Amino acid sequence: DTAVSQTPKYLVTQMGNDKSIKCEQNLGHDTMYWYKQDSKKFLKIMFSYNNKELIINETVPNRFSPKSPDKAHLNLHINSLELGDSAVYFCASSQDTRGGRGYTFGSGTRLTVV
Amino acid sequence: DAKTTQPPSMDCAEGRAANLPCNHSTISGNEYVYWYRQIHSQGPQYIIHGLKNNETNEMASLIITEDRKSSTLILPHATLRDTAVYYCIVTGYSTLTFGKGTMLLVSP
Repeated sequence: DTAVSQTPKYLVTQMGNDKSIKCEQNLGHDTMYWYKQDSKKFLKIMFSYNNKELIINETVPNRFSPKSPDKAHLNLHINSLELGDSAVYFCASSQDTRGGRGYTFGSGTRLTVV
Repeated sequence: DAKTTQPPSMDCAEGRAANLPCNHSTISGNEYVYWYRQIHSQGPQYIIHGLKNNETNEMASLIITEDRKSSTLILPHATLRDTAVYYCIVTGYSTLTFGKGTMLLVSP
């Protein structure tokens, strides 16, 4: 069983569309994250949720809205997609907000906006 | 979180030990040293972490200097599948911030 799974793996869409990326973890972790890796390969934190509550929002445009229906799921909804949103988005989870025992990452969703 | 400095790239022959250095001269007392790696097109993978003692697990060893200002990740017998970007991250109790890392190329 995959520990942190993301769907879809690839997403190609036109500018202006709205899309969602889903993430599920079966590790029983309390904290989940979304990271963005741009074309220069920098990995940047976007959001962090602990037990369904938002604890970090790193100056991400409000077109990005995370949703956590339960602590095993953290979905990312993006409105009015722009060319600059093209990137690989990684979901991750950790046992607590401190991340002290390491993060487990998903395999990523490659988003291409055309 | 303390800043880290890593060489941009390193080469290693297959079967040899790969020693990846990291400088973190501004590390504070409650900050841990974490190592992750990212194999092409995959999500980052946790390798090891430590506070001040040397650590070893099934993947690697972590050597932290006594003053904690630098550390070395050791892959004892590198394989082609160890080719990846390796990230050294220093953090207290906060989210991980990734730098540019070291691109390790393992060659036959």
